[in-house]
Amino acid sequence: DQQVKQNSPSLSVQEGRISILNCDYTNSMFDYFLWYKKYPAEGPTFLISISSIKDKNEDGRFTVFLNKSAKHLSLHIVPSQPGDSAVYFCAANYGGSQGNLIFGKGTKLSVKP
Amino acid sequence: KAGVTQTPRYLIKTRGQQVTLSCSPISGHRSVSWYQQTPGQGLQFLFEYFSETQRNKGNFPGRFSGRQFSNSRSEMNVSTLELGDSALYLCASSSLGVGFSGYTFGSGTRLTVV
Repeated sequence: DQQVKQNSPSLSVQEGRISILNCDYTNSMFDYFLWYKKYPAEGPTFLISISSIKDKNEDGRFTVFLNKSAKHLSLHIVPSQPGDSAVYFCAANYGGSQGNLIFGKGTKLSVKP
Repeated sequence: KAGVTQTPRYLIKTRGQQVTLSCSPISGHRSVSWYQQTPGQGLQFLFEYFSETQRNKGNFPGRFSGRQFSNSRSEMNVSTLELGDSALYLCASSSLGVGFSGYTFGSGTRLTVV
């Protein structure tokens, strides 16, 4: 049973436009959510996180929105750049499972010049 | 500061053999977690060590084991290798257990079982 789901395996966006990556979760005990970016042959790189007590967190071009009632979060990248092309993973965590990140299967973002 | 270092980067083993992978966390990080990445299953949690103690364990068979040393370096071992163990094994370290800016990942060890 997948607790964290990224239903879109891929997304293609034009440079300069907004990229929206979505993530759904089933476990209401999750209290922290993270987004990672991964290039081939490299480990995931942390992008941005959000606590369950918030509904929005911004860091430069990256904004994460959390809708707890819908058990849904999204990552917005504005404006998108070709260097953003990578696989994006959504991950979740709860206090009782420190160190145990539950990952979605990833969305491959392609930003076209 | 140096990142998370995993050795070796690539490994080819024969079915039935055993393998040991190594992870050196960021200096000062006491938590080390291991993950397996495969195309079909994505990133799956193996186990986490904190101050030499296994704190959490994922849903993997007993052939997968690990340990952490007093300097926070960690090793994971896979015995009786199966073809399905072919994967990218990632190590992540953190200074705290939960809810903050980061688990920092290494570049991984690509294990191929033939």
